[in-house]
Amino acid sequence: KQEVTQIPAALSVPEGENLVLNCSFTDSAIYNLQWFRQDPGKGLTSLLLIQSSQREQTSGRLNASLDKSSGRSTLYIAASQPGDSATYLCAVSSSYKLIFGSGTRLLVRP
Amino acid sequence: EAGVTQFPSHSVIEKGQTVTLRCDPISGHDNLYWYRRVMGKEIKFLLHFVKESKQDESGMPNNRFLAERTGGTYSTLKVQPAELEDSGVYFCASSQDPPHIQYFGAGTRLSVL
Repeated sequence: KQEVTQIPAALSVPEGENLVLNCSFTDSAIYNLQWFRQDPGKGLTSLLLIQSSQREQTSGRLNASLDKSSGRSTLYIAASQPGDSATYLCAVSSSYKLIFGSGTRLLVRP
Repeated sequence: EAGVTQFPSHSVIEKGQTVTLRCDPISGHDNLYWYRRVMGKEIKFLLHFVKESKQDESGMPNNRFLAERTGGTYSTLKVQPAELEDSGVYFCASSQDPPHIQYFGAGTRLSVL
């Protein structure tokens, strides 16, 4: 049974810092991994999707890496801004359905 | 292009009542999914439609939950009768085929009193 874990559960950093969010999964037989952000009271916004054959994906200040063999992914946020404050969710897919971690709550202090 | 739309955004009902949630996927997306997050837990998969057919309903909690997708367009999720433990946020998502980025709606917050 696939399980997804995200560490840390919460993170508070000053503006401008580079930071890394971690995601681990127990079964390496995945199709893809997706990172989302969720703002309070809002839906999930897809940030990056990494196919199982890929090692990383980049979008602006975000870079996500995938190491399938070790069951790990990281989301790197460069030069963090207060607007990055949100909950970040990692989800893996081995079929059509997504299996989510519990998220990392990020606060970027001005 | 419109995103995934869910109605209502918030529903408050009493135990034993019936509630119907609606989801309008992104136009052209054959795949539609329902997920939910109950208090303090991770978001969990409920079921998956391809067009009007249920492909996987392994996450449906029990037979009080009924999902339909009329004509392969919008979908409804009915809870009848609602119980206290059904409270949570119900998300709908849609995607193209093969497994692609899933686009999520804003969710429906269900409160059963």
